[in-house]
Amino acid sequence: GQQVMQIPQYQHVQEGEDFTTYCNSSTTLSNIQWYKQRPGGHPVFLIQLVKSGEVKKQKRLTFQFGEAKKNSSLHITATQTTDVGTYFCAGYSSASKIIFGSGTRLSIRP
Amino acid sequence: DAGVIQSPRHEVTEMGQEVTLRCKPISGHDYLFWYRQTMMRGLELLIYFNNNVPIDDSGMPEDRFSAKMPNASFSTLKIQPSEPRDSAVYFCASSLGTSGGSTDTQYFGPGTRLTVL
Repeated sequence: GQQVMQIPQYQHVQEGEDFTTYCNSSTTLSNIQWYKQRPGGHPVFLIQLVKSGEVKKQKRLTFQFGEAKKNSSLHITATQTTDVGTYFCAGYSSASKIIFGSGTRLSIRP
Repeated sequence: DAGVIQSPRHEVTEMGQEVTLRCKPISGHDYLFWYRQTMMRGLELLIYFNNNVPIDDSGMPEDRFSAKMPNASFSTLKIQPSEPRDSAVYFCASSLGTSGGSTDTQYFGPGTRLTVL
C-alpha cells in the first residue's frame, strides 16, 4: 500500500542552526501538506504544495515539492526556540488517500 | 469561530468498558476526520466522512471501533470493549472539502487523551 516515509525521526540543533526534514512517498502524490504540532498540542496546518517542483516560503521556512511529486522537504533557516515541535507531512493520492508521515521532532538548544 | 470541539479532553477507563469520543466540526465543513496518535505508530487516519457519509474506514483497527456522523455538526468514535492498547490521543479534524487535485486545510481539534487501564 501507499507509504510516506519521513526522516529524520528526531533532530536536535543549536539555536541558529538550520533544520531540514524530508518526506518520500512510494507513489505519486496529487498534493502534499505540512503541519506543525507543538508539544502537548494538535497539528496545525502550515502549507500545501500542489505543483511539480513547487517551492514556497514562509519567512524562515522553505517548502519544496519534488519534480516527480513523490518527495517533499521543509527547511528552516536559523532555527529559533519557537520552532520546537514535530513537523508532519501529509500526502494525498489521486485516490483521495491521506497518509501522514511519521513526523520529525525538532528540539533546540538555546 | 470556536474551531473543532472535542470531548472529553481526557478519559480514563478500565479495560472492557465502552468509550465514546465526541466531535463537533467547524460549521460549514463537509469533511470530518478521526485520527489516532501514539508514540509507536504516529498519526493514523482511522476514518473520514464526507457530508456525513463514511468514505474511507480502512484505517479502523478492528470491529471494536465504530464511528458515526448522524448530522453535519456531530460525530462519535466508539470503542467497545476498550483495551489498554487503545490508549492514545484521538484527534478529530474537519475541512471544507476536496476539489480537483487538491484538498483543503484540515483543522484539528485539541484531541482526547484516552487511557485504558
